[in-house]
Amino acid sequence: DAGITQSPRHKVTETGTPVTLRCHQTENHRYMYWYRQDPGHGLRLIHYSYGVKDTDKGEVSDGYSVSRSKTEDFLLTLESATSSQTSVYFCATTPSGRAGYEQYFGPGTRLTVT
Amino acid sequence: AQTVTQSQPEMSVQEAETVTLSCTYDTSESDYYLFWYKQPPSRQMILVIRQEAYKQQNATENRFSVNFQKAAKSFSLKISDSQLGDAAMYFCAYRSQGGNKLVFGAGTILRVKS
Repeated sequence: DAGITQSPRHKVTETGTPVTLRCHQTENHRYMYWYRQDPGHGLRLIHYSYGVKDTDKGEVSDGYSVSRSKTEDFLLTLESATSSQTSVYFCATTPSGRAGYEQYFGPGTRLTVT
Repeated sequence: AQTVTQSQPEMSVQEAETVTLSCTYDTSESDYYLFWYKQPPSRQMILVIRQEAYKQQNATENRFSVNFQKAAKSFSLKISDSQLGDAAMYFCAYRSQGGNKLVFGAGTILRVKS
């Protein structure tokens, strides 16, 4: 398994507060992704990165921002958390090249916004 | 945009029996990849099997096999000799050949009865 960790694993926060989730990988994979998982929706892509400082939006990016200053770290920020952002968040990575068509997932972060 | 549909929110199977999970997708592309991921109660996303669209032969991994019908845009997962450890949420996912983002279905909960 790819070495992907997420922190924190669980967080409860109040509406209106900023929250940052961290994804750290030790595989030197080029691509990194943030998904959210909600019942009835599967996993939906929030943002992704195709290299250091190179990021792009996914299908549910409103209210989220990301940053990638190092290959190994991909941060997801909720600038002002809302109850609709209560979800389980997954980070994933994949290497570049033809071999990189499988995504490896982190353990997930359960975020509750009260 | 591509979509993935899993029409069975929940399925049950008796231990040692065979079960088939359904997945259909919509795309105008001819080259792509399809995946089945398993998510046990631990929340970890585990790749079960993958299929390249250009391959006519159905993929097989031990007790797991797929029935890939490209013209019908159907990609079902068959689990043979079901085990208690197979109980999980199963997600079907699509990836374009030239892209690196996954599109997921809503998932199917599989329950295994002893």
